[in-house]
Amino acid sequence: GENVEQHPSTLSVQEGDSAVIKCTYSDSASNYFPWYKQELGKRPQLIIDIRSNVGEKKDQRIAVTLNKTAKHFSLHITETQPEDSAVYFCAARGVYNQGGKLIFGQGTELSVKP
Amino acid sequence: DTEVTQTPKHLVMGMTNKKSLKCEQHMGHRAMYWYKQKAKKPPELMFVYSYEKLSINESVPSRFSPECPNSSLLNLHLHALQPEDSALYLCASSQLGGEKLFFGSGTQLSVL
Repeated sequence: GENVEQHPSTLSVQEGDSAVIKCTYSDSASNYFPWYKQELGKRPQLIIDIRSNVGEKKDQRIAVTLNKTAKHFSLHITETQPEDSAVYFCAARGVYNQGGKLIFGQGTELSVKP
Repeated sequence: DTEVTQTPKHLVMGMTNKKSLKCEQHMGHRAMYWYKQKAKKPPELMFVYSYEKLSINESVPSRFSPECPNSSLLNLHLHALQPEDSALYLCASSQLGGEKLFFGSGTQLSVL
């Protein structure tokens, strides 16, 4: 079945710097890749997603890139702000034998220092 | 309305108690989910309902019993839980296909 690995597990940056979180997936048939942000004590919230027919997607300070050949995708946050501090989860939608369910990475705890 | 509402927000129960978690959405989503989450870990899928029918059960122990009374409501009935079941229980909904899941705020469950 699908397996998603996420790195790094923790990331600390200065306010205004960029942050990059990387994920790799195992199922070449996976076709949907969302990113969720979860602040302490809050619900996971979808911040950006990408389908396999697109290589890059951008929404203001957030972008996601997808390399289908290498089976990895990345989240890029530019001009980081303290309110970006949260745990970020990548996910991939498995296809075979998994009913289309989302497989989550282990999460990255991002800390933005003012 | 783009919210998934869960009640209660907090629940403390003994191992012999029976309780229920409730979830409601009014976005017209036909897929609803229960997830379990431990602190700083990813959500773990428990159950998926599609068109009010159970489509995925991730080998969850029978002490957890889901119910989908209609397209807007999802319940999780709890009975004879163990202390290791203490966690945040998240409900989510989406259009069919599992894209763009909207999560509720969760029920923080403590089993004593």
